[in-house]
Amino acid sequence: DAGVTQSPTHLIKTRGQQVTLRCSPKSGHDTVSWYQQALGQGPQFIFQYYEEEERQRGNFPDRFSGHQFPNYSSELNVNALLLGDSALYLCASSFQGIMNTEAFFGQGTRLTVV
Amino acid sequence: RKEVEQDPGPFNVPEGATVAFNCTYSNSASQSFFWYRQDCRKEPKLLMSVYSSGNEDGRFTAQLNRASQYISLLIRDSKLSDSATYLCVVMNTGFQKLVFGTGTRLLVSP
Repeated sequence: DAGVTQSPTHLIKTRGQQVTLRCSPKSGHDTVSWYQQALGQGPQFIFQYYEEEERQRGNFPDRFSGHQFPNYSSELNVNALLLGDSALYLCASSFQGIMNTEAFFGQGTRLTVV
Repeated sequence: RKEVEQDPGPFNVPEGATVAFNCTYSNSASQSFFWYRQDCRKEPKLLMSVYSSGNEDGRFTAQLNRASQYISLLIRDSKLSDSATYLCVVMNTGFQKLVFGTGTRLLVSP
């Protein structure tokens, strides 16, 4: 059983560019959440997708957008990249039908903006 | 004020020591509580859930005090492999959104 997989694992982009990160949830999971982890900080919630809709959003600008596909996989898009967007981007999947369900994390995508 | 606050450390302890981490949270509506472990440049992994009655998993004991909005993690007989960052995490009602503390770094030395 594959766990949560993210691609790519590493990425270098230039300021002003756009980036798309991808996530495949653990088998049986229907909810995908995205987190940004800056160096020395805990992960910060970006947004969550369930039934192909954004259900909740953290304190991130509209430059951050996402999508969930019918197979539950998800994409995170960031436009007009800033140096401050350099971080580890984590995808977590869970199953909506269970209270307090464990969220499983992918290995993350390390984004460097230069 | 951050919603979840932790001492970032680092905590430097010798093998075999007992070490305790504390965490406070500000949202009284928080319903679920966890400790996650994160190794350097890796993803967070669930260490244990935290229940009001307190719970133990081998050398690890977690406690929750809802009245004080305080969570703790005790590690007994520390091993070199326990060296990692320990993240205090709360989940609020409704959506499965996790709110993380900054993390406490533990370094266990021989």
